[in-house]
Amino acid sequence: EIVLTQSPGTLSLSPGERATLSCRASQSVSSSYLAWYQQKPGQAPRLLIYGASSRATGIPDRFSGSGSGTDFTLTISRLEPEDFAVYYCQQYGSSQTFGQGTKVEIK
Amino acid sequence: QVQLVQSGAEVKKPGASVKVSCKASGYTFTSYGISWVRQAPGQGLEWMGWISAYNGNTNYAQKLQGRVTMTTDTSTSTAYMELRSLRSDDTAVYYCARFVVVPAAPIDYWGQGTLVTVSS
Repeated sequence: EIVLTQSPGTLSLSPGERATLSCRASQSVSSSYLAWYQQKPGQAPRLLIYGASSRATGIPDRFSGSGSGTDFTLTISRLEPEDFAVYYCQQYGSSQTFGQGTKVEIK
Repeated sequence: QVQLVQSGAEVKKPGASVKVSCKASGYTFTSYGISWVRQAPGQGLEWMGWISAYNGNTNYAQKLQGRVTMTTDTSTSTAYMELRSLRSDDTAVYYCARFVVVPAAPIDYWGQGTLVTVSS
């Protein structure tokens, strides 16, 4: 089973700042089958990025994903008020697993 | 539009079983798989397994093997997840979610979630 480890656990930033979230896999993620989701309290997750770097439909271009193999990054170029939430990475190439999440909170 | 509508909240005693339903609409049910993901209070997302609505193939998380069964009824476009021998740490919101099985694709639509509470 591929284990995903996200860091940091919590990121305290101000609106307008850049957020960089990391996701590290215990073994190589095949064909970059890596996705990122955003979840707000009381809501189901929302797909942001798939294939490590492709934005899902309707996702603003301030969200970008990069990486391959075992190291992946989600970058939010300029935080908007609605971006403060919890972010999860997921690999879907070998069964499916989620990272433990990174909370982006207002500083 | 794509919708996944789940059954209502459940309260169960330890040792009991629960069966959650997920009715799909707005797309061809058999062209996708359904994943089940749970989230304990204040915790992260845990993948439980998936079922192909095309051929009924399943893939369960090792942790839940032997306690979970996922099925589909293609006549009603409904997926089911049954969890047996419930324990207090099974208390969680259970989500069904749609994805393409082959080629592998991420989850793109989620149900609204079903709260299952396990308490004596």
